[in-house]
Amino acid sequence: GQSLEQPSEVTAVEGAIVQINCTYQTSGFYGLSWYQQHDGGAPTFLSYNALDGLEETGRFSSFLSRSDSYGYLLLQELQMKDSASYFCAVTRPGGYNKLIFGAGTRLAVHP
Amino acid sequence: SQTIHQWPATLVQPVGSPLSLECTVEGTSNPNLYWYRQAAGRGLQLLFYSVGIGQISSEVPQNLSASRPQDRQFILSSKKLLLSDSGFYLCACDHPGLTYEQYFGPGTRLTVT
Repeated sequence: GQSLEQPSEVTAVEGAIVQINCTYQTSGFYGLSWYQQHDGGAPTFLSYNALDGLEETGRFSSFLSRSDSYGYLLLQELQMKDSASYFCAVTRPGGYNKLIFGAGTRLAVHP
Repeated sequence: SQTIHQWPATLVQPVGSPLSLECTVEGTSNPNLYWYRQAAGRGLQLLFYSVGIGQISSEVPQNLSASRPQDRQFILSSKKLLLSDSGFYLCACDHPGLTYEQYFGPGTRLTVT
């Protein structure tokens, strides 16, 4: 089967650092993406990892370990506007970007 | 950069009624197009994808169908809606080989009563 596991909820305070983990089990793997979705809104792309290691984009970083089938999204200097759902998604081979999404992690940032 | 339009934004339909959701893309050509459904508090499930006009692939058996009559137009349809068709429907596009990023439209929230 195919599955992605991530925590359902995470809470943190403004200015803190939070890590959202994602483990996956899929038949075929190209890379791991992260998307952010505010309530009622459309998902927006945050990052993509195809190789092991850390990718940094401003306050957000994403990590991948292919041997462990594991990745995480690291959010630093949390702001209230970071309160949203975060989804990891595996890109599978197929000639198009076939994404398999996790169920999402709801992040609540408190003052 | 591309912009995706979806309409309507919200829709309430009775069981057994037909459905037509439309998605159009601006600012790009020859995109791959996707239809996703998102149940409340859940992740996105890929329903259909299209790599070109008239080319539709279905990911899961269901009560829905899709069509791509023009390069930047993608339509999701049903002849008879079921209660289980309720959800948030998102259209997305990308260009494999150029980027791994998928761009999503604003979505249509469908409630079947």
